[in-house]
Amino acid sequence: QVQLVESGGGVVQPGRSLRLSCTASGFTFSNYGMHWVRQAPGKGLEWVAVISYEASAQYYADSVKGRFTISRDNSKNTLYLQMNSLRAEDTGVYYCAKEREPYRSSSLDYWGQGILVTVSS
Amino acid sequence: DIQMTQSPSSLSASVGDRVTITCRASQDITNWLVWYQQKPGKAPKLLIYAASSLQSGVPSRFSGSGSGTDFTLTISNLQPEDFAIYYCQQANSFPWTFGQGTKVEIK
Repeated sequence: QVQLVESGGGVVQPGRSLRLSCTASGFTFSNYGMHWVRQAPGKGLEWVAVISYEASAQYYADSVKGRFTISRDNSKNTLYLQMNSLRAEDTGVYYCAKEREPYRSSSLDYWGQGILVTVSS
Repeated sequence: DIQMTQSPSSLSASVGDRVTITCRASQDITNWLVWYQQKPGKAPKLLIYAASSLQSGVPSRFSGSGSGTDFTLTISNLQPEDFAIYYCQQANSFPWTFGQGTKVEIK
């Protein structure tokens, strides 16, 4: 069965960095685009970033562009989100999610359990 | 960026009711529209993709319709487990964007 497990969250001071990881199993990771989606406390969903199946393309939300970097290691079935220059407004639960179809971006059919990132002094 | 606007923001309904949630895109997204359900403390769950295609394992009381800029999620015969927050999301172009959510509460 498909599993996505996020790790690396925690409390960090404004301006500092954090790297999230998402370890995947139960499907051929290298065939699927992967996304990060976040949710501030009590708020709605915000799409953050996507990386194509072979890592040739990445796209970002305007709110994180230039500060966050999405990457993947297909040999380790792992997705990453490097978050630099963190701000209070980056606080929230971060989900990794898998594309429903291989080689194509259309919808997200499996999500991790989410990992909390708190940016606070 | 494409803006997604859902209505209503919340609604109260009873078990057995038919519920309709609408989602409007700020520009034509053809049928690149997705619906998710989220319960408290849980990850979102995919319900509908390509505006009207039911995700495997999702009960048939959920249905989606629409194209272009106006879309609808309908839940017929509302069940206790359907009380949740529903989000639409456009997959027409990056950056993907979500609607603000519609909370379906028990009347």
